[in-house]
Amino acid sequence: EPEVTQTPSHQVTQMGQEVILRCVPISNHLYFYWYRQILGQKVEFLVSFYNNEISEKSEIFDDQFSVERPDGSNFTLKIRSTKLEDSAMYFCASSYYHEQYFGPGTRLTVT
Amino acid sequence: DAKTTQPNSMESNEEEPVHLPCNHSTISGTDYIHWYRQLPSQGPEYVIHGLTSNVNNRMASLAIAEDRKSSTLILHRATLRDAAVYYCILNSGYALNFGKGTSLLVTP
Repeated sequence: EPEVTQTPSHQVTQMGQEVILRCVPISNHLYFYWYRQILGQKVEFLVSFYNNEISEKSEIFDDQFSVERPDGSNFTLKIRSTKLEDSAMYFCASSYYHEQYFGPGTRLTVT
Repeated sequence: DAKTTQPNSMESNEEEPVHLPCNHSTISGTDYIHWYRQLPSQGPEYVIHGLTSNVNNRMASLAIAEDRKSSTLILHRATLRDAAVYYCILNSGYALNFGKGTSLLVTP
């Protein structure tokens, strides 16, 4: 069964550094998403991406964040200058229509 | 976004049916009712969704009230692997807005 994959599984970075989280969505899916979950809190929507542009974003997704689909398979989330409060699990998801399929997540730890 | 209300936690015995309720009295006509679950230390997992009619798939059934102000996720035979947080989400766009969900405990 096709699945969403994410790399790395765990990323440790220093405050102020740039990080890129990578995702390979399911191949025939058209919509791509990033969510995050701070430890012990609920899953929060960050951004959705369709037809090579952002279709919706939350208040969390400020100028420090960007997304890109650099080729036909990868979908990336970049955080330009990480803050301590960016420490969280970041989940990528993709969908063809309604059902969103989530990856296993990248744990980002900012020190 | 329209809000949903779910019990914080529920408990079930293994191999028994489980009915997880969700209230969404402010649902709009374009809102789909989605259910996702999150097993410990994993990403959310799609379970089922519907608009007006009851839905069945290999994982569960979704019963939607006639006025659409409530719905029930039905797991026909709970297994230990079904222990998770279950989220009822109304969605008419792209974003899934997760609440706190219902934490389901399954006991052998």
